[in-house]
Order: sequence, then structure tokens, then C-alpha cells
Amino acid sequence: EADIYQTPRYLVIGTGKKITLECSQTMGHDKMYWYQQDPGMELHLIHYSYGVNSTEKGDLSSESTVSRIRTEHFPLTLESARPSHTSQYLCASRTQEGDTGELFFGEGSRLTVL
Amino acid sequence: GQNIDQPTEMTATEGAIVQINCTYQTSGFNGLFWYQQHAGEAPTFLSYNVLDVLEEKGRFSSFLSRNIGYSYLLLKELQMKDSASYLCAVTNSNYQLIWGAGTKLIIKP
Repeated sequence: EADIYQTPRYLVIGTGKKITLECSQTMGHDKMYWYQQDPGMELHLIHYSYGVNSTEKGDLSSESTVSRIRTEHFPLTLESARPSHTSQYLCASRTQEGDTGELFFGEGSRLTVL
Repeated sequence: GQNIDQPTEMTATEGAIVQINCTYQTSGFNGLFWYQQHAGEAPTFLSYNVLDVLEEKGRFSSFLSRNIGYSYLLLKELQMKDSASYLCAVTNSNYQLIWGAGTKLIIKP
């Protein structure tokens, strides 16, 4: 069973609020990812990190930021939430050896912006 | 562009066999994944193919044909708990993971 945790699981907030979605893993994985997924749609990569102090933008990185100060922690911040940010956010990690290892996913954070 | 094509939805009967197809067009190829995702939950790993062989894991098998950009996931002895979405994902030459939209599998008694 994967040891990757996300909080909060569910969040309802108003437009303009700043929020941080937390993601932690205890597997010592160097690579971590944030994905956004709408119902019935493919996963879209928002940000990723290959290790401490390494962060890269994905396809949907606008209006959000990440940090990787510790190996186990990869929080995602929305500076000013909008209704278009309503979605499911999935955090994932995998080992550093190549890019072919399986991804372990957290249970997701479902965000609703009113 | 790069894309992964899967049927949107399939229906099968409990105890039967179902094959979910995936075709891909990507800039290079470094492996194909199948994930299972129950409604409202995170995806979980099912299989990984990088060579043109049939990978078998219990009731699930996955096949790859690289020269035609094709894979399938075969589920045998279907159970009600197999009702889920099945996601196909390809790692391209830049080691980016390209995801399909998933196939929603409905199992009927």
C-alpha cells in the first residue's frame, strides 16, 4: 500500500481565497507530481519535482506554485482561487530510477470554488 | 500532437471477459501503463509494458504492439468490483507521461 497522503480531502472556498493543498510521502521518492483531473477527463500535469529544490511547470501550471524544501513534502498553492479551479487534484510520487516506475497516487483533494 | 485514444465507456457481464483497447500517437515511446481508478478515488497501478509481450497478472493481462501504437487490457472472470475507469498512459521520448481520458467499465450482474 502506498504511503502518500493529501490534505484536505475536500475543500469548499470562496473566490479570491489563497489555499494550499498538502502532499506528503514516506517512501523516500525523489520524483513528485501534481495532477488536475475533471470527471471523465485525462490527468493534466500541473507541476513536478525531481528532488529537493527542484520544481518544474507542467501543462496547467498557471496561477499555482509549488515548493520542495523537503523530500517528503510537496505542497501546491493557489494564490487566488477561481471557480475554474474547481476540480480534483492528485499528488503522486515515484522512485528516481528512470521515468518508467509506477506512480503512487494520494487519495486526492477535491476543491470547489464558489 | 500527442494523443491517447480509448473507448469512453464499455459494458460487460459479471463472469465474462472484456478487452479494453488503447491506441497512441506520441513523440517516441518509453513504456505504456494501465491504471485502474474507482469513482472518486486515486488511480492504482495495474501493469507496465515496454516490449511486445503479453504481461499477465492474475485475472488481468496487458498486451503491447509498438509498431502499430496499440495496447489492450484484458480482464477475465469479471467481478462487480471491476467496475471502474481504466486509464492508459504512455511515456514518450522526453519521459513525459501522456494520459488517455480513461474507459469507464460497467459490470452488470
